[in-house]
Amino acid sequence: SQQGEEDPQALSIQEGENATMNCSYKTSINNLQWYRQNSGRGLVHLILIRSNEREKHSGRLRVTLDTSKKSSSLLITASRAADTASYFCATDGNDYKLSFGAGTTVTVRA
Amino acid sequence: DAGVTQSPTHLIKTRGQQVTLRCSPISGHKSVSWYQQVLGQGPQFIFQYYEKEERGRGNFPDRFSARQFPNYSSELNVNALLLGDSALYLCASSVDGNQPQHFGDGTRLSIL
Repeated sequence: SQQGEEDPQALSIQEGENATMNCSYKTSINNLQWYRQNSGRGLVHLILIRSNEREKHSGRLRVTLDTSKKSSSLLITASRAADTASYFCATDGNDYKLSFGAGTTVTVRA
Repeated sequence: DAGVTQSPTHLIKTRGQQVTLRCSPISGHKSVSWYQQVLGQGPQFIFQYYEKEERGRGNFPDRFSARQFPNYSSELNVNALLLGDSALYLCASSVDGNQPQHFGDGTRLSIL
């Protein structure tokens, strides 16, 4: 079973616009991470936010975490064609495994 | 430095056969995890190994097994293949099993 659920399932935006996607999860976590996957490739780690953090930035990425609502959001600012990919949130508890959602597919139109 | 490498990249098998997938972690990483990703879904955890010991196992049948070698590389074995085993199998490594994990490009397994 999947721990996280991303919303929306798919997103289409114009180059230069911002993209926001959300993730909800069910059980308590140590960390929440966001990964990117280009078609047919492996996952690339984007950012990790710990359960005691509320917001984190990395380049054009901004992640928020609300543990009371068991939710997180990923914002990509000033999107580029190269940002076209699927984005997954993943949570980990005390058992070392990552639990992924089903992902958000982002298409950036030129 | 080389990233996580997996072999083969693609594999076609028939139902009932057995398959072995291989993974070499990033140099210095002692932990390897395996995930199954069915088309259109997120990855599902299969195993984690650390220092050659199984540390965690996901909700997969006993047809799935794995091992880790002294050089920290790993193999995933799947017996009695079913059509539903068709998926992208991803290997991830980390220093000690904690986060973040670094993923390879996967092995695409197709069952006919």
